Amino acid sequence: DQQVKQNSPSLSVQEGRISILNCDYTNSMFDYFLWYKKYPAEGPTFLISISSIKDKNEDGRFTVFLNKSAKHLSLHIVPSQPGDSAVYFCAAGAGGTSYGKLTFGQGTILTVHP
Amino acid sequence: SQTIHQWPATLVQPVGSPLSLECTVEGTSNPNLYWYRQAAGRGLQLLFYSIGIDQISSEVPQNLSASRPQDRQFILSSKKLLLSDSGFYLCALVTSPGFTNEKLFFGSGTQLSVL
Repeated sequence: DQQVKQNSPSLSVQEGRISILNCDYTNSMFDYFLWYKKYPAEGPTFLISISSIKDKNEDGRFTVFLNKSAKHLSLHIVPSQPGDSAVYFCAAGAGGTSYGKLTFGQGTILTVHP
Repeated sequence: SQTIHQWPATLVQPVGSPLSLECTVEGTSNPNLYWYRQAAGRGLQLLFYSIGIDQISSEVPQNLSASRPQDRQFILSSKKLLLSDSGFYLCALVTSPGFTNEKLFFGSGTQLSVL
């Protein structure tokens, strides 16, 4: 049972436009969500996170939105840059109790064209 | 700041051969350590985690085992590899465990191909 789902395997965007990556979850116990970015042959790097007490968190060009009632979160990248091309994973945990045992989605490959 | 060393970066092994992947960490003590695997076209799956020396928990039944002989050393092993063991193996530690801002910090990974 996939508790965290990224239904879009890939996304292609023009440089300068907005990239929107989506993630859905089913476990109501999740209350802490993270986005990771991964380049080929490298480990994932942390991008941004959000707690369920918020519905938005922003860090530079990256904004994560959380809709708890829909069990949906999204990552917005504005403006998109070619260096943003990577695989993006969303992850979920029970904040303060997961102790690193996060549940990850399948990933979305983002390609930003110059 | 903490650093995770993983080696080798790539590995090609025949079916039935043994496996040993090593992970060492620096810049932290008593870390919680994790082995995750990314199989082709799939997300990251937690395989093992360890809260201390010789303390290993397995998340999924499989052909692999893990050991933690030292505080900053975490080893992933197999006696006989299967084709299905192919994947990208990642060692990780958690920063701020038990707090709502806890994050996983990953090593550079090992790409294992079992042929």
